[in-house]
Amino acid sequence: NAGVMQNPRHLVRRRGQEARLRCSPVKGHSHVYWYRQLPEEGLKFMVYLQKENIIDESGMPKERFSAEFPKEGPSILRIQQVVRGDSAAYFCASSPTEGNYNEQFFGPGTRLTVL
Amino acid sequence: AQSVTQLDSQVPVFEEAPVELRCNYSSSVSVYLFWYVQYPNQGLQLLLKYLSGSTLVKSINGFEAEFNKSQTSFHLRKPSVHISDTAEYFCAVSDRGGSYIPTFGRGTSLIVHP
Repeated sequence: NAGVMQNPRHLVRRRGQEARLRCSPVKGHSHVYWYRQLPEEGLKFMVYLQKENIIDESGMPKERFSAEFPKEGPSILRIQQVVRGDSAAYFCASSPTEGNYNEQFFGPGTRLTVL
Repeated sequence: AQSVTQLDSQVPVFEEAPVELRCNYSSSVSVYLFWYVQYPNQGLQLLLKYLSGSTLVKSINGFEAEFNKSQTSFHLRKPSVHISDTAEYFCAVSDRGGSYIPTFGRGTSLIVHP
């Protein structure tokens, strides 16, 4: 059973470039969540997606950040024109159902470094 | 809206000693509570959770946590730690009837010395 997969595990970008982070959820899971972890901080929720739909993007910065979860393929978190403040670990989680409680399974994360 | 406070950013202990990692939360509604563990360069793993019923919940590797509604706390304890317990521990809370997305604390780094 493959868990949540994220790639790349490490990504280095120069200021102004684009970063694309990929997340493949647990097989059969249709709900994906993206979180950002800054040094010395906990995880901050960014966006919640179901297949082809954004359900909650209240944690997403208004500019430069976008996310998608297409019918086929992985979920993508895209950061345009990266700045040094975007350097962080980005975690994806997936769950099989929605509701008041559903356990989220986390991937190993992508560590983005902006030079 | 809810918030989580983990009072200790770092807890150093010696192997086989007991440990308590503190977690307090605030919420205007009833909550679910979680502890996650993160080993170096890995994602978060669910350690234990409180959903309902008994206020004392236990994990398979000897950790336990007790939900204290009056003190709005969910402290994590282990009577005897191992070197392998060295990791970052995150407390999280989610509303029962509202957002299903957990709010995480800043984390506590447990460092077990031989």
